Amino acid sequence: EVQLQQSGAELVRPGTSVKLSCKVSGDTITAYYMHFVKQRPGQGLEWIGRIDPEDDSTKYAEKFKNKATLTADTSSNTAYLKLSSLTSEDTATYFCTTGATSDYWGQGVMVTVSS
Amino acid sequence: DIVLTQSPALAVSLGQRATISCRASESVRSSMHWYQQKSGQQPKLLIYGASNLASGVPARFSGSGSGTDFTFTIDPVEADDIATYYCQQSRNDPYTFGAGTKLELK
Repeated sequence: EVQLQQSGAELVRPGTSVKLSCKVSGDTITAYYMHFVKQRPGQGLEWIGRIDPEDDSTKYAEKFKNKATLTADTSSNTAYLKLSSLTSEDTATYFCTTGATSDYWGQGVMVTVSS
Repeated sequence: DIVLTQSPALAVSLGQRATISCRASESVRSSMHWYQQKSGQQPKLLIYGASNLASGVPARFSGSGSGTDFTFTIDPVEADDIATYYCQQSRNDPYTFGAGTKLELK
C-alpha cells in the first residue's frame, strides 16, 4: 500500500523559511509526479506545483514561483516543499499528492506564520 | 491560467440527485477530475478524466462533459456525501482547481 507521510506542524516567524517533507512508502517515488497543494483555513485548494523525481524537473503556478521550491531525494523516497519569506498569507495546510493518475495524499501539514 | 468556475453551494435532500457544474475558461478536453473533501481531511478523488469512476468509489457518483463544460452528479445523495466538491483540470499548467461547491442538506 502506497502511503505519503508528511512532516509535523510548524509554527514559524514572518520573514523566515520552512521546509516540509513528504515521504513515500510502498513504492518508489520515481513512479510518480509529486504535487503540492495549499489550503488556507476555510478556503479552497490551490495547486502550488509539481516535481518529477526522475529528473528533478519542476512546474510551478505563477503565484508560487518566488515563494515555493520543490525538490526530491530518491535515496530517501522523499519530496520537499520549501516556502520562503513567510507571511501570514502562507498560514495554511499543505498537502502532497501523486495527482489524479493515482490519487495518493499525505495527511497535510499545518504551517502557522506568526510572531 | 485556466479558470474553473463552480457554484459555491448546493442544497439537496437525502435520496435526491445533486448536480454540480464546472465551467472552464478554455478547453481542457477531458482532463477534468472531481474531488470530495470532508472537513479536516485530505481530498479524495472520485472522478478522473471527466467521466471515469476512481477505484472503490460508489456508482452513484458520476461525471460527464468535455471541452469547457462539466457536470458531476450524485444520485441518490446519502448523508455521508455532505462535503465540499472540487473540480481540477490537468490539461495545462498550472493544474487549477475550482473554488469548490459545498453540498448542504435541505
